[in-house]
Amino acid sequence: DIQMTQSPFTLSASVGDRVTITCRASQSINSWLAWYQQKPGKAPKVLIYKTSNLESGVPSRFRGSGSGTEFTLTISSLQPDDFATYYCHQYNSYPWAFGQGTKVEIK
Amino acid sequence: ELHLLESGGNLVQPGGSLSLSCAASGSTFSEYDISWVRQAPGKGLEWVSIISNTGDTRHFADSVKGRFTISRDNSEDTVYLQMNSLRAEDTAIYYCATREKCGNGVCYGLQYWGQGTLVTVSS
Repeated sequence: DIQMTQSPFTLSASVGDRVTITCRASQSINSWLAWYQQKPGKAPKVLIYKTSNLESGVPSRFRGSGSGTEFTLTISSLQPDDFATYYCHQYNSYPWAFGQGTKVEIK
Repeated sequence: ELHLLESGGNLVQPGGSLSLSCAASGSTFSEYDISWVRQAPGKGLEWVSIISNTGDTRHFADSVKGRFTISRDNSEDTVYLQMNSLRAEDTAIYYCATREKCGNGVCYGLQYWGQGTLVTVSS
């Protein structure tokens, strides 16, 4: 089974900061990686699919990159609405797996 | 776009059983694979299971394999998750989720989610 390791677990940042979250897969996932944002009490919302494709309606400050086993989510200029928890998700092979999550907090 | 609504969450004793439902509306249900994803209180997301659009193919997380089954009724636009031999660690909000079907070399992430239903396993 593929394991997803996300870092950091928490991240303190200010509005306007550039933020990077990393996700590492235990084996190649052929770019089949998605990123989600989740706010307390809400269902997750997909931001990025297939490593770098922006889901419709998602602001362009969100960018996904990577290949093979190393992937990153970058928020170019953090906005107040972006304080949330972010998850990566591999859907290359079953069982699918999520990373442990990264909570982006206000510094 | 598919709208999803989970139901069936409840308090159940360890070793007990529970069936969850995921009812869909808004699009052609039989075109969509449906996944279940759970989230224990204060914890991260855990993928649980998926059923193909026709119901022919099913996959499960190792943590639930042999205890949970998944089925669907395309005439009722509903997917079911039957949970047996429940354990305290199965306590979670259970979401059903789906995506548009893959095409032109592209498969999407989980685009549509329900609001979740809470399962509590406790004596």
